[in-house]
Amino acid sequence: GESVGLHLPTLSVQEGDNSIINCAYSNSASDYFIWYKQESGKGPQFIIDIRSNMDKRQGQRVTVLLNKTVKHLSLQIAATQPGDSAVYFCAAAGWNTGNQFYFGTGTSLTVIP
Amino acid sequence: DVKVTQSSRYLVKRTGEKVFLECVQDMDHENMFWYRQDPGLGLRLIYFSYDVKMKEKGDIPEGYSVSREKKERFSLILESASTNQTSMYLCASTQTGNQPQHFGDGTRLSIL
Repeated sequence: GESVGLHLPTLSVQEGDNSIINCAYSNSASDYFIWYKQESGKGPQFIIDIRSNMDKRQGQRVTVLLNKTVKHLSLQIAATQPGDSAVYFCAAAGWNTGNQFYFGTGTSLTVIP
Repeated sequence: DVKVTQSSRYLVKRTGEKVFLECVQDMDHENMFWYRQDPGLGLRLIYFSYDVKMKEKGDIPEGYSVSREKKERFSLILESASTNQTSMYLCASTQTGNQPQHFGDGTRLSIL
């Protein structure tokens, strides 16, 4: 199977600073990773994904870094805004898990105005 | 945009009742999933379905069953609700296994 964990349950950052949220996974066969954002009272929303043939992918104000050697990925949010306050979690899937994703427990990001 | 709709946002039921949670997606996705989300545990897969009338057990299927009679609808059934099934239930869908899952806004179920 797979075990996915986030390093910090909570993170507070000042508005305008950059945020980094980390995630570790255990299954070396995991080859597809997703970051989700979940606001209070809503379902998880897709932010960005990355496949194992890449080590970096950028979106709008977000960057995901993948280090397969140490089985670690991170989500970087540039110029964090109050609207970024939410729970962020990663998900991992591999060729040996079929359609099944394994999810981390989430980091609650609070942006201080 | 993909829309995954869960029929109830909040639901309160009594121990022993049979409970139905409904989920509908509008993007003709092959795969649909039911998760429960509990503090400190993350999302845990209950059941998933990769086609009409097909179902597969996830990590925590005990006490649950599912039904997929139509492609767009995936129902979760609590055969005899118990207090330890109080949780947030999330439905998701995706076209293939290697694509992001799209989630509904969840049903917060309380079993008294």
